[in-house]
Amino acid sequence: SQKIEQNSEALNIQEGKTATLTCNYTNYSPAYLQWYRQDPGRGPVFLLLIRENEKEKRKERLKVTFDTTLKQSLFHITASQPADSATYLCAPTDSWGKLQFGAGTQVVVTP
Amino acid sequence: EAQVTQNPRYLITVTGKKLTVTCSQNMNHEYMSWYRQDPGLGLRQIYYSMNVEVTDKGDVPEGYKVSRKEKRNFPLILESPSPNQTSLYFCASSLRGDSNYGYTFGSGTRLTVV
Repeated sequence: SQKIEQNSEALNIQEGKTATLTCNYTNYSPAYLQWYRQDPGRGPVFLLLIRENEKEKRKERLKVTFDTTLKQSLFHITASQPADSATYLCAPTDSWGKLQFGAGTQVVVTP
Repeated sequence: EAQVTQNPRYLITVTGKKLTVTCSQNMNHEYMSWYRQDPGLGLRQIYYSMNVEVTDKGDVPEGYKVSRKEKRNFPLILESPSPNQTSLYFCASSLRGDSNYGYTFGSGTRLTVV
């Protein structure tokens, strides 16, 4: 069965450093992969989408890579700020647009 | 303002009493979807719809029904709610499946079935 793995342990990081999150998937060949941010009790907010033929995508302080051979996506937050503290969800997506979400990784940025 | 609106935000009901959670989007999106979120299990898809009158089961459809009679509305129906359907529910919509704008989520409906 399809499986999506994100680090379940919270990532504690100092302000200004780069946070790197990992998303691994198995038994799945997504056409693209999305990343979302979720704050407690609120709906996920879309951040970035990367397609299978793209190696890397950037948006402001965010960078996403997508390696279809390794079946892995890395999500980077550079120059992290306390406001970046949240849970980050990866969502491999098939060609029909159906998303499967990982359980998410909590990021805590301390001043 | 472009948004997905769910109602109600909070709902406490009794086992077996039919209920509907409404979802409406004002962005002319084709794709709409319902998710439930439970601690330790993450977001799981219940049903999704690629367009009017086109719906399909997600990963956990048992005990739920949906309809898509109009593009903007995608209600979630629990015909006979049970305590294991106590959860946080999210509706989401997208212009299309591979939109560079991803999915827009509603604010959520916290449902308790006693």
